[in-house]
Amino acid sequence: LAKTTQPISMDSYEGQEVNITCSHNNIATNDYITWYQQFPSQGPRFIIQGYKTKVTNEVASLFIPADRKSSTLSLPRVSLSDTAVYYCLVAIQTGANNLFFGTGTRLTVIP
Amino acid sequence: NAGVMQNPRHLVRRRGQEARLRCSPMKGHSHVYWYRQLPEEGLKFMVYLQKENIIDESGMPKERFSAEFPKEGPSILRIQQVVRGDSAAYFCASSEGHSNQPQHFGDGTRLSIL
Repeated sequence: LAKTTQPISMDSYEGQEVNITCSHNNIATNDYITWYQQFPSQGPRFIIQGYKTKVTNEVASLFIPADRKSSTLSLPRVSLSDTAVYYCLVAIQTGANNLFFGTGTRLTVIP
Repeated sequence: NAGVMQNPRHLVRRRGQEARLRCSPMKGHSHVYWYRQLPEEGLKFMVYLQKENIIDESGMPKERFSAEFPKEGPSILRIQQVVRGDSAAYFCASSEGHSNQPQHFGDGTRLSIL
């Protein structure tokens, strides 16, 4: 059963770049890597998704090495409002959508 | 451009009653997923449905829990004879397609069992 491993928590000061790394050793060939953000009492919000190399959008970048056994979510210049739990997910099986949410990484941004 | 809508946001039931949770997917989305989240834990997959079909219910308890996604109307997660352990946040997500299409989540229904 493919799982992901992330740090349980991270602290960062406002304005810094934050990098959260996720390990997914059993990722399958057709699986994508997806990151979500969750605030208290809200549903997860899609941040970014990628397959290999680098993906960038208006809020984050996703770096995926060639072996795809890990990925790094990069948040540039974080603010207090970025304090949340961040989940890294991979599809467990091709053709299924049984997404596995681990416990995520709780990011706390400090003034 | 409404997102995934869940109602009610909060639901209180006594042990033994039935709970019905509703989910309207985003416009144009025909795939619906239900997850359960306990405090301080990640979401746990329960069931995946397309219109009128259950595709994967491997995460759903065999007894008391059922889900449907009719041709017309919202998806319903139904919990019969609720017990204290059913207290949790239940999230619904929808996607446009299948396999690696991003899932978009609602803000959940918080179920409390007295």
